[in-house]
Amino acid sequence: DIQMTQSPSSVSASVGDRVTITCRASEDIRGWVAWYQQKPGRAPKLLIQSASTLHSGVPSRFSGSGSGTDFTLTVNGLQPEDFATYFCQQAESFPRTFGQGTRVEMK
Amino acid sequence: QVQLVQSGAEVKKPGASVKVSCKASGYTFTASYIQWVRQAPGQGLEWMGWINPNTGDTHSAQRFQGRVTMTRDTSINTVFLELSGLTSNDAAVYYCARDAGPAFGGSFDIWGQGTPVTVSS
Repeated sequence: DIQMTQSPSSVSASVGDRVTITCRASEDIRGWVAWYQQKPGRAPKLLIQSASTLHSGVPSRFSGSGSGTDFTLTVNGLQPEDFATYFCQQAESFPRTFGQGTRVEMK
Repeated sequence: QVQLVQSGAEVKKPGASVKVSCKASGYTFTASYIQWVRQAPGQGLEWMGWINPNTGDTHSAQRFQGRVTMTRDTSINTVFLELSGLTSNDAAVYYCARDAGPAFGGSFDIWGQGTPVTVSS
């Protein structure tokens, strides 16, 4: 199984900050990465697919980059509604696997 | 609008089985695979398996093989996940999600609201 190692596990930030979350795959997954946002008690929401393609309706302050084994999700200009937990997921092969999650908390 | 609506919360005893439903609307039901993902309290996301609503073909994670059954009923645009031999480790929120397909990076673009399953004697 492909392991997805996500870091940091949590980050404290303020409104307007830039936040960067990284995900490292245990093997080459080309660009087959998705990023999701989850708020407490809610289902995950797709933010980015194929490592860097913004999902429909997602604000442009979210961006993704990377290929191979190293991937990044960046939020430029954090907004109040962005405080949540973020997960990466590999879509290269089955079983699909997720990172452990990064909780973005208010400083 | 495109949505997946799941059945309500379940409380089961250890050793019992649970069956969760996921009803699709707003798109062609047979055109997209459905994935199942679960999340234990305070934990991350765990992929369980997929079903092809068109053919009924399924594939589950190795750790669930022999315990999980995924089915569909095309007459009501609904897929089902049944998990048997429940233990306390199976207490989680169970999600269905639409697989957007390889053209969209194999991502899960639409999620159900989740079905909490409690396992308690």
